[in-house]
Amino acid sequence: DTEVTQTPKHLVMGMTNKKSLKCEQHMGHRAMYWYKQKAKKPPELMFVYSYEKLSINESVPSRFSPECPNSSLLNLHLHALQPEDSALYLCASSQDTGTGGSGYTFGSGTRLTVV
Amino acid sequence: GQNIDQPTEMTATEGAIVQINCTYQTSGFNGLFWYQQHAGEAPTFLSYNVLDGLEEKGRFSSFLSRSKGYSYLLLKELQMKESASYLCAVRGNAGNNRKLIWGLGTSLAVNP
Repeated sequence: DTEVTQTPKHLVMGMTNKKSLKCEQHMGHRAMYWYKQKAKKPPELMFVYSYEKLSINESVPSRFSPECPNSSLLNLHLHALQPEDSALYLCASSQDTGTGGSGYTFGSGTRLTVV
Repeated sequence: GQNIDQPTEMTATEGAIVQINCTYQTSGFNGLFWYQQHAGEAPTFLSYNVLDGLEEKGRFSSFLSRSKGYSYLLLKELQMKESASYLCAVRGNAGNNRKLIWGLGTSLAVNP
């Protein structure tokens, strides 16, 4: 299995809703990432988990809350989002260590619309 | 500061060769990646360079010169389906070991 699976593929939520994005990989990767991507822009790093511990938080607002229940799963809990948070949310994984050229494997993303 | 530059748009003809350049200025260097991204889809890993020189993978090649802070992606025998955005990304080192610094992407249009 060489894939990163993200659910749901599309999500529409109101500003008072609570929802969660899910990400799963079974490649034995020990680093997992959440990215946010707006149209015609590169991915913007939000969080990095290494060995199930949060190692990087790029000053993301607290309305985004990540969780890594185990080495294969990564969640992003959403609460009280704003319309400007509408974007493609990408999960990625990599063999950790920060070295090596295996690349980052991205999931197909969740297209989030906040209304 | 940290900066990655690549052309915004390029056009090429089906069957031709195209070279997409990337220059970077970063506080550390631990590898350079090229990704392909079709609109609305996830980025797909194409290549990785950490030492100077050329890496070849079929019709795709990537070159790196660390002293010049320069890389290029070479695509041969272009196919229509390769119309996409091509993203250059540099991995930092030390405290930024797991962070990629991304260029804004080059939108490539392959015409018949």
